[in-house]
Amino acid sequence: GDSVTQMEGPVTLSEEAFLTINCTYTATGYPSLFWYVQYPGEGLQLLLKATKADDKGSNKGFEATYRKETTSFHLEKGSVQVSDSAVYFCALMGAGGTSYGKLTFGQGTILTVHP
Amino acid sequence: GAVVSQHPSRVICKSGTSVKIECRSLDFQATTMFWYRQFPKQSLMLMATSNEGSKATYEQGVEKDKFLINHASLTLSTLTVTSAHPEDSSFYICSARLNQETQYFGPGTRLLVL
Repeated sequence: GDSVTQMEGPVTLSEEAFLTINCTYTATGYPSLFWYVQYPGEGLQLLLKATKADDKGSNKGFEATYRKETTSFHLEKGSVQVSDSAVYFCALMGAGGTSYGKLTFGQGTILTVHP
Repeated sequence: GAVVSQHPSRVICKSGTSVKIECRSLDFQATTMFWYRQFPKQSLMLMATSNEGSKATYEQGVEKDKFLINHASLTLSTLTVTSAHPEDSSFYICSARLNQETQYFGPGTRLLVL
């Protein structure tokens, strides 16, 4: 079945540092890929998405490129802020079979940014 | 984005009792809602798909008689954990689907069964 593997955390950075959170996936067909963010006490929010190979999703300075050849969707940000501290989830939406239309999540990566 | 609420935010109950968790879509009508379970330091696991006006579809390994789902209106889905036991303690999260690729998530419900 579909699966998502993302970099284990926690990740601790200083403000303005460069961020990479790795995410790779296994899926049938051509899934859509997502990054969700969960701030303390809040529900998951969509951060960005990409629906086909070579698409780049971007939002709030974060970027991720859908790489079919490496089955990856790594999250990057050039300069993190304290307010970026949260849990980040990589996810895919199944494209076929019993996983069609369903989200499969990675295990989440806790990011803490210090001033 | 749209708002999805869950109630209660946390609940503590005794083993053997039943607990109902509500999930409400406040900004749009949701034909489909999802229920997830999240263990500490682990990903969200889809438990079931809740369809308004019809039976829920459960994922493999999820006991439908233990986790009762009712989606009686386009804005409300409920998850009832029946005869709860300590192993049911977890973080339960719902989402409401706006379209094929857009789900809005509730803030979650922390269940502790003593």
